[in-house]
Amino acid sequence: SQQGEEDPQALSIQEGENATMNCSYKTSINNLQWYRQNSGRGLVHLILIRSNEREKHSGRLRVTLDTSKKSSSLLITASRAADTASYFCAPRKNTGFQKLVFGTGTRLLVSP
Amino acid sequence: DAMVIQNPRYQVTQFGKPVTLSCSQTLNHNVMYWYQQKSSQAPKLLFHYYDKDFNNEADTPDNFQSRRPNTSFCFLDIRSPGLGDAAMYLCATSRETGPGYEQYFGPGTRLTVT
Repeated sequence: SQQGEEDPQALSIQEGENATMNCSYKTSINNLQWYRQNSGRGLVHLILIRSNEREKHSGRLRVTLDTSKKSSSLLITASRAADTASYFCAPRKNTGFQKLVFGTGTRLLVSP
Repeated sequence: DAMVIQNPRYQVTQFGKPVTLSCSQTLNHNVMYWYQQKSSQAPKLLFHYYDKDFNNEADTPDNFQSRRPNTSFCFLDIRSPGLGDAAMYLCATSRETGPGYEQYFGPGTRLTVT
């Protein structure tokens, strides 16, 4: 198993602004997943990007992956108060069972 | 629409009094997981079931046990809760254990130990 490290630890923005958070990891991966946790909906899978993909979109989310730098970024455009949550990345290796190992996450606060 | 259901959402137990948390799923997934999340920390895997095969994490205390009587249900038993076991307990499922499968989480049960 391997753990991603999210950065920054905390981010505070106004509604309508974009939020960018980053994830770094240490070994080769099959894919990288992003999860969000807030008090209302609990822990939810947001998006999965495979190692052969460089960018992926889902609604207001844009994820990039740079396997040469072992890093990923999650961009939330036109943020809303409902985006207030902790965001975790989960790098997944190529084979076998692997548990999700969460880092400390990025705590995003979107103010109205 | 609920896919992973946890009951109760809040549980209060006394120090040393056994407690059971329950999880059910409507996804018919093979794998069920239990995580512990303490305040301001990331969720930490306690154990998982692949079908009926139980897999314990090496650092999960013996105080924690689990049962999976069928595909849909999984229980977390805490035999003698201590104050340090107060946490949010999250149940999750996935279709398979491979890297390409996402996990679906329940809303969690917040356990208070008095």
